[in-house]
Amino acid sequence: QSVLTQPPSVSGAPGQRVTISCTGGNSNFGEGYDVHWYQQVPGTPPKLLIYGTNNRPSGVPARFSGSKSGTSASLAITGLQAEDEADYYCQSFDISTGGGVVFGGGTKLTVL
Amino acid sequence: QVQLVESGGAVVQTGMSLRLSCAASGFTFSTYGVHWVRQAPGKGLEWVSFISYDGSNKHYVDSVKGRFTISRDNSEDTLYLLMDSLKPDDTALYYCVRDYVEFGDYGISVFDLWGRGTMVIVSS
Repeated sequence: QSVLTQPPSVSGAPGQRVTISCTGGNSNFGEGYDVHWYQQVPGTPPKLLIYGTNNRPSGVPARFSGSKSGTSASLAITGLQAEDEADYYCQSFDISTGGGVVFGGGTKLTVL
Repeated sequence: QVQLVESGGAVVQTGMSLRLSCAASGFTFSTYGVHWVRQAPGKGLEWVSFISYDGSNKHYVDSVKGRFTISRDNSEDTLYLLMDSLKPDDTALYYCVRDYVEFGDYGISVFDLWGRGTMVIVSS
């Protein structure tokens, strides 16, 4: 059971907008810790997509954006493309049970 | 070329030990905190351990505390993970991962550089 909760799957047609939620709690987002997002294409290592809620590393398209409010965060992808089909993970820091880095369970994005 | 290359993965029996290594190149290894993150077959990501840039600060996920030991050799640009008393639940692909910022604090860990991983299989 992950401390950060993500939907197992989402889907959308090419060109559409999709969002992936990441629900935390008082011991992570509620404590002010940031959310970061990773994209993992099967068979490859994860890639940093968004850091510090809504900052994109160099090379990440502006179609990807993030937000956070209270104890929830979300990743939005606009102008969906076939190459966006992948697993997406949110990540933060949690101070409960000794504290540590935590990941969401992951969301499989299918481009229809 | 900026990269991390893991090695040392193997098939072992329950209760045995294994040491993973991660060779860094293309950047100043001694100024970055580094982590081990694992992924069981078909499962999600799980953070395992962190060591600060100078080795003075170490953290572990509860499930490996007392069994795994993280260390680093900045003169050799290498990260290690000594895994004792291995269990079938430790079966996973183990990634070596670098923090996004130099001299970063553990609480703001962001993973910007990942190796390709090394596979550990623990048989019962």
